Amino acid sequence: DTEVTQTPKHLVMGMTNKKSLKCEQHMGHRAMYWYKQKAKKPPELMFVYSYEKLSINESVPSRFSPECPNSSLLNLHLHALQPEDSALYLCASSQVRGRSGQPQHFGDGTRLSIL
Amino acid sequence: AQTVTQSQPEMSVQEAETVTLSCTYDTSENNYYLFWYKQPPSRQMILVIRQEAYKQQNATENRFSVNFQKAAKSFSLKISDSQLGDTAMYFCAFMSFNTNFGNEKLTFGTGTRLTIIP
Repeated sequence: DTEVTQTPKHLVMGMTNKKSLKCEQHMGHRAMYWYKQKAKKPPELMFVYSYEKLSINESVPSRFSPECPNSSLLNLHLHALQPEDSALYLCASSQVRGRSGQPQHFGDGTRLSIL
Repeated sequence: AQTVTQSQPEMSVQEAETVTLSCTYDTSENNYYLFWYKQPPSRQMILVIRQEAYKQQNATENRFSVNFQKAAKSFSLKISDSQLGDTAMYFCAFMSFNTNFGNEKLTFGTGTRLTIIP
């Protein structure tokens, strides 16, 4: 069983819909991440939160809006997505201990399809 | 910027045999970390092994070990006594540091799809 839980596992939405992806962890990690992964490609970093504050935004379009309401929860709000946004969205978390190379723990992902 | 190269898009090996996956990287940093992750069809990225660049000793985790050559910027993964459950996509990853942020950023290679044949 994964320690990082993502819901829903699958999501189909139209280009005018608004939806949210949810990620939750209870390992006490204070860094949380969103990645986008296209088929047969490596994950690409989108956002990083550290202590509930946005630390890295990899120039992601504004139709993706992240939110970190507390140390255990990470959301990704979706609005007016394009067909090319169809992908697997992975959430990860890690401890924050300076430059100590803490591994990231991943969830199972949400498979998103845009019609 | 760091780059990670995995030159073997696909590999296959008979069950119980040993297989080595290659990874090279490019960086100007001296202190960094390297990882191998596996991603089976179930989608979850699973940490296989972690290597600290300032440690010369190669990391091992049960049947998994690495050959870390810092000067050559090479970080290969060896899987011994391969099992059917090892079938997955394997990603090599480099961890770099954001000086404004107490944590790190992973850059992944393009992956090697490994199939274990019964």
